[in-house]
Amino acid sequence: SSELTQDPAVSVALGQTVTITCQGDSLRSYYANWYQQKPGQAPVVVLYGKHKRPSGIPDRFSGSISGDTASLTITGAQAEDEADYYCSSRDTSRNHLDVFGTGTEVTVL
Amino acid sequence: QVQLQESGPGLVKPSQTLALTCTVSGGSISSGSFYWSWIRQPAAKGLEWIGRVYPTGSTVNNPSLTSRVTMSVDTSKNQFSLKLTSVTAADTAVYFCARGVPIDAVGGYYYDYWGRGTLVTVSS
Repeated sequence: SSELTQDPAVSVALGQTVTITCQGDSLRSYYANWYQQKPGQAPVVVLYGKHKRPSGIPDRFSGSISGDTASLTITGAQAEDEADYYCSSRDTSRNHLDVFGTGTEVTVL
Repeated sequence: QVQLQESGPGLVKPSQTLALTCTVSGGSISSGSFYWSWIRQPAAKGLEWIGRVYPTGSTVNNPSLTSRVTMSVDTSKNQFSLKLTSVTAADTAVYFCARGVPIDAVGGYYYDYWGRGTLVTVSS
């Protein structure tokens, strides 16, 4: 399967915790990577591989995996975390295609 | 610091060919185990992976576009390119180029550097 499904939108109160999920069969075989995209900008990776954070990404971003569902958690959400978030992975076809999730819009209230 | 920059026409007529180039600076397109991808995003929609090209020139494309997509790499210019034939209004999107980095031996890749994106509009 090459589909990664995310909830379209979630909201979180400032300083509270929000979890975004990404579901797909390929996540049983490949890591989920997570990208943050703000309006008019290119995506930026916030988590990759086994829940690794690139340099400069705050530790309030964390990840987990359970079966075919990966999760991105923002603990203590800040106003600057308001953005679209996309998961990505590989599919399990012979060519190992790249695939992006459907995206989740996160609103910080 | 690696930088990627997309370039190409911002307006393409229907049925014609969209051609974009991504210039890589701050690092060699041939080094490491990287690959180089094109990703697009229609207005107010999600990201769609178009395909990837390796420094060797081999490519892997999204099956939904494969009959219309050609990608290539020019290591002498540190560039890679995308051609999309027979475009329609549905191909109107912001087109990004990005570098794929291996995570580990089995974990796939992720995109660490992206271009800023270029808007391509298909219209007569």
